Amino acid sequence: EIQLVQSGGGLVQPGRSLRLSCAASGFTFNEYAMHWVRQVPGKGLEWVSGISWNSDGINYADSVKGRFIISRDNAKNSLYLQMNSLRVEDTALYYCAKDRWSNQDRGWLDPWGQGTLVTVSS
Amino acid sequence: SYVLTQPPSVSVAPGQTARTTCGGNNIGSKSVYWYQQKSGQAPVLVVYDDSDRPSGIPERFSGSNSGNTATLTISRVEAGDEADYYCQVWDTTSDHPKVVFGGGTKLTVL
Repeated sequence: EIQLVQSGGGLVQPGRSLRLSCAASGFTFNEYAMHWVRQVPGKGLEWVSGISWNSDGINYADSVKGRFIISRDNAKNSLYLQMNSLRVEDTALYYCAKDRWSNQDRGWLDPWGQGTLVTVSS
Repeated sequence: SYVLTQPPSVSVAPGQTARTTCGGNNIGSKSVYWYQQKSGQAPVLVVYDDSDRPSGIPERFSGSNSGNTATLTISRVEAGDEADYYCQVWDTTSDHPKVVFGGGTKLTVL
């Protein structure tokens, strides 16, 4: 069974940093692209960032470009999101998700992690 | 950037057919994916590549895609189908492909 177990959320002040983690199991992690998607409670889904199987392809939403950094450690079967210069509007439930393919230009996201809440507030 | 438009809500009685749309410029040329998100849960894929179903998804769920509109159809709707439904495509117009989601449609089972 494929599992994505997330950790690292919490309450943080504006301007500070936070790192999210996503531990993968049940599939060959280094063969698939991975993504982060966020959702403001009660609102829709917003794609945040994606990374190819070998980290050669990395993409960001305009809303986080220059502030967030996606990375992966294939030896540890783990995906990360380093969030810097956090803003109140970054407050959301963050999900990691597995891509169907190894690179990013097609395919679906399945499955998704359980989500981790990030709250940016003073 | 590529925009997907979904109606905010759809209501249907149990046993009837629910249809929700996803509008985008020439979306028929793209592959469309649909996700179901029940309250308090992570999204789950219900349709991929316009009209295919993952294993474990009932045949009641189907999809189509043509022109500027993709459609998710749920036949013989059950109370357990009540959820938010999101469409998704890839925006590959730049060197940096991006995942694009529609705003979501809340399906209410009357």
